[in-house]
Amino acid sequence: SQTIHQWPATLVQPVGSPLSLECTVEGTSNPNLYWYRQAAGRGLQLLFYSVGIGQISSEVPQNLSASRPQDRQFILSSKKLLLSDSGFYLCAWSVLNGGQPQHFGDGTRLSIL
Amino acid sequence: EDQVTQSPEALRLQEGESSSLNCSYTVSGLRGLFWYRQDPGKGPEFLFTLYSAGEEKEKERLKATLTKKESFLHITAPKPEDSATYLCAVQEVGGSTLGRLYFGRGTQLTVWP
Repeated sequence: SQTIHQWPATLVQPVGSPLSLECTVEGTSNPNLYWYRQAAGRGLQLLFYSVGIGQISSEVPQNLSASRPQDRQFILSSKKLLLSDSGFYLCAWSVLNGGQPQHFGDGTRLSIL
Repeated sequence: EDQVTQSPEALRLQEGESSSLNCSYTVSGLRGLFWYRQDPGKGPEFLFTLYSAGEEKEKERLKATLTKKESFLHITAPKPEDSATYLCAVQEVGGSTLGRLYFGRGTQLTVWP
């Protein structure tokens, strides 16, 4: 069966520090991968998606970037965190064909001080 | 304009008191509608996919139905463990393999004993 892992579960970082959140998927090949941010009362905001190694698309201009160095690895990064980057970050995967659900990891709660 | 609107935002039920959650959508062509359950501090957990008007899916005390413009999640005789936020998402017809989902803001359900 397929599983998705995200780490760390919680993270407290000072403003201006770098960020690296990692997500890996097991049990499937060539998945679509997604990074979301969830803010209270505002729903899930799609940040980045990837349909293959090295292929990244950004939905919202921001202080973050994403990379996919391996088929089942997706990384969310920042060089300098802002206060506004605080939030709950979720990674998800789906099979390549449309009409299929996305499956989520348990998220990372990021607090910027 | 939001493609997906969920109502109510919050719902409190006594144990055993059945009710329904609503998800209305405005995409021009529906490829799929998805229901998720999200517990506090966790990622969304996939529940159902619905593809065409008239379709129904059931799982324990939950039943999801779909019409041309909305979906309902019926909860029959709920228990306190059904307390969670329920998210609805839609995928548009568009030929893309991305599988992008548009999420509603969710309904926070509380079931008290």
